[in-house]
Amino acid sequence: AQKVTQAQTEISVVEKEDVTLDCVYETRDTTYYLFWYKQPPSGELVFLIRRNSFDEQNEISGRYSWNFQKSTSSFNFTITASQVVDSAVYFCALSNQGSSYKLIFGSGTRLLVRP
Amino acid sequence: DVKVTQSSRYLVKRTGEKVFLECVQDMDHENMFWYRQDPGLGLRLIYFSYDVKMKEKGDIPEGYSVSREKKERFSLILESASTNQTSMYLCASSLGQAPHGYTFGSGTRLTVV
Repeated sequence: AQKVTQAQTEISVVEKEDVTLDCVYETRDTTYYLFWYKQPPSGELVFLIRRNSFDEQNEISGRYSWNFQKSTSSFNFTITASQVVDSAVYFCALSNQGSSYKLIFGSGTRLLVRP
Repeated sequence: DVKVTQSSRYLVKRTGEKVFLECVQDMDHENMFWYRQDPGLGLRLIYFSYDVKMKEKGDIPEGYSVSREKKERFSLILESASTNQTSMYLCASSLGQAPHGYTFGSGTRLTVV
C-alpha cells in the first residue's frame, strides 16, 4: 500500500523562526518519487520539489531545504528564517509504479507565520 | 505563462442539480486529474484521464463522472449534487507517463445547499 502521513496538522511560528514540516511515506516500490507542494490562500498548489528514491542527497533552495532519509521513510521540509509569506498549507506527495504514478497526497500541514 | 484554468472559483448549487466543473490546460499535457480537498483529508483523487476519451476511476469516484472530448479539456460532472459533495475541487495536468510534477488550477469551491 502507498501512504503519506503528515502528522502535524497545524504549526504556528513567529517570523524568523526556523520550522520543519514532517513527512513520512509508505511504499513497497524501490523506485518512487516524492514531492512537496505549497498551497497559499489563493488556492493553487505550487510545485516546490521532486526527489527520486535513488537520490538521497539533501537539497537547499534559498531558505528552503529538504532532508530525504530512506532509512526512516521520511522527506522533511525545513524553512529557515520563516516569513509571513510562507504562511500556507504544505502537502507532501508520493508517486510510484504501484499507484500508476498518480500522486498520493498527505493530509497537509497548515503553517502560520506570525509577524 | 502556461496554466490550468478552472472555469469557476466559487459555485453554489442546490441538492439534486447536475453540476459541471470545467478545466482547461494549455500545455498539451496528456494527463488530467480531478481531486477534491477536504480539511484533514488532504487531496483525494476522483477521476483521471491519460488521453482523449479515456477515463479511469480514482479513489472516490462515487457520485461523479467525467468527460474528456478534447485533449485540453477535462470536465467533472456531479450527476445529482448532494450536500456531502460540498468541497474544494482541484484540477491538475501532467506530461506523459513519467512522474512529473502536476500543474494545478486555482480550484473551485463548490457549496451544495
